[in-house]
Amino acid sequence: DAKTTQPTSMDCAEGRAANLPCNHSTISGNEYVYWYRQIHSQGPQYIIHGLKNNETNEMASLIITEDRKSSTLILPHATLRDTAVYYCIVRVGSNDYKLSFGAGTTVTVRA
Amino acid sequence: EAGVAQSPRYKIIEKRQSVAFWCNPISGHATLYWYQQILGQGPKLLIQFQNNGVVDDSQLPKDRFSAERLKGVDSTLKIQPAKLEDSAVYLCASSLVWVGVGGGEQYFGPGTRLTVT
Repeated sequence: DAKTTQPTSMDCAEGRAANLPCNHSTISGNEYVYWYRQIHSQGPQYIIHGLKNNETNEMASLIITEDRKSSTLILPHATLRDTAVYYCIVRVGSNDYKLSFGAGTTVTVRA
Repeated sequence: EAGVAQSPRYKIIEKRQSVAFWCNPISGHATLYWYQQILGQGPKLLIQFQNNGVVDDSQLPKDRFSAERLKGVDSTLKIQPAKLEDSAVYLCASSLVWVGVGGGEQYFGPGTRLTVT
């Protein structure tokens, strides 16, 4: 099962783009990259997922390198409400939907 | 659309007592999960249900933890007897389908914060 490596914490300025890196060098060809976030005292919230191509939705963009060994989650215009722990997860297994959470990156958006 | 509901939100018990948590998933979601989240760590999957059958309970401490999902809807997670190390947030999540490849994002409830003294 592929593991992920994320920085422990990062700060970003309100209104600026936040770029959250994730390394997953042992990812398998059929494993997806998922991003969730957890705001304080809430349950985790799904953000986005991808396999090979870059993905964008109303919350964020996901950029996956061509070799798939790393990815970047981009929050285009960070707000104070984006302060949270962000988890990069490679989906475990090929026939189920288990999520294996690491410690994540604590993102603090500052005014 | 109503989200995943959990109760109670907070619970304080003494060690060796028993406790139960309740979860009501999003309507129509076939798959239900219970996670344990210890302070400062990411959630850890305890058990996964597909309708009312157990798919995976490999991480569930079965000597003290039990869970059921009657009629494939609501679920309860029980701890008996509780230990100090069970202090954590217990999260319930549900997903629409049990998919083979991709998709099926999980929706989480607010969790129950358990403190064992």
